[in-house]
Amino acid sequence: AQTVTQSQPEMSVQEAETVTLSCTYDTSENNYYLFWYKQPPSRQMILVIRQEAYKQQNATENRFSVNFQKAAKSFSLKISDSQLGDTAMYFCAFMKHVTFGDDKIIFGKGTRLHILP
Amino acid sequence: DSGVTQTPKHLITATGQRVTLRCSPRSGDLSVYWYQQSLDQGLQFLIQYYNGEERAKGNILERFSAQQFPDLHSELNLSSLELGDSALYFCASSTTAAYYNEQFFGPGTRLTVL
Repeated sequence: AQTVTQSQPEMSVQEAETVTLSCTYDTSENNYYLFWYKQPPSRQMILVIRQEAYKQQNATENRFSVNFQKAAKSFSLKISDSQLGDTAMYFCAFMKHVTFGDDKIIFGKGTRLHILP
Repeated sequence: DSGVTQTPKHLITATGQRVTLRCSPRSGDLSVYWYQQSLDQGLQFLIQYYNGEERAKGNILERFSAQQFPDLHSELNLSSLELGDSALYFCASSTTAAYYNEQFFGPGTRLTVL
């Protein structure tokens, strides 16, 4: 069974700093997808970034980028120039690639990130 | 605002009761997903519907059921409620059945079972 581990329950950084959130996963699959979701205090889940395992290039979305290490089964999220609005719970998630019927997503326990003014 | 609506926002009920949570997906989205977020279990995928048919099933209890109607809205039915069912229930929608496509989440329904 697949598992997703986020080893940092809570982190705090100063505004404008760079912060990296860790995520490791365990799978025997070769084709899969990885996600980072953000849940701000409003509780609404928002997709931050997505990575396909077959792509070697790390995904980037503006200030958000990932360091995807397939062999190490590591998928960390880097937030550059952090802003107060980045304060949220961040969830790492895994989904194996299937064509039908068993594409359920597995979430980590989350990392609570505080951006300090 | 994601365009996904969920009603009610809050629900308080007693053990043994039955409740129905409603979700309206974004206009044009055919796929609806249900999630449960609790302190004990974290965030869990429950079930997915695509264009009225069940597409994938996650950690959904037998006491729970869902359906998607012809107008594409979905309902999650929770019966014989237990204290442990207290959680935030999210609905999400996407344009296709492919799970890796971006899902847009609703604001959630907070269920409290007393």
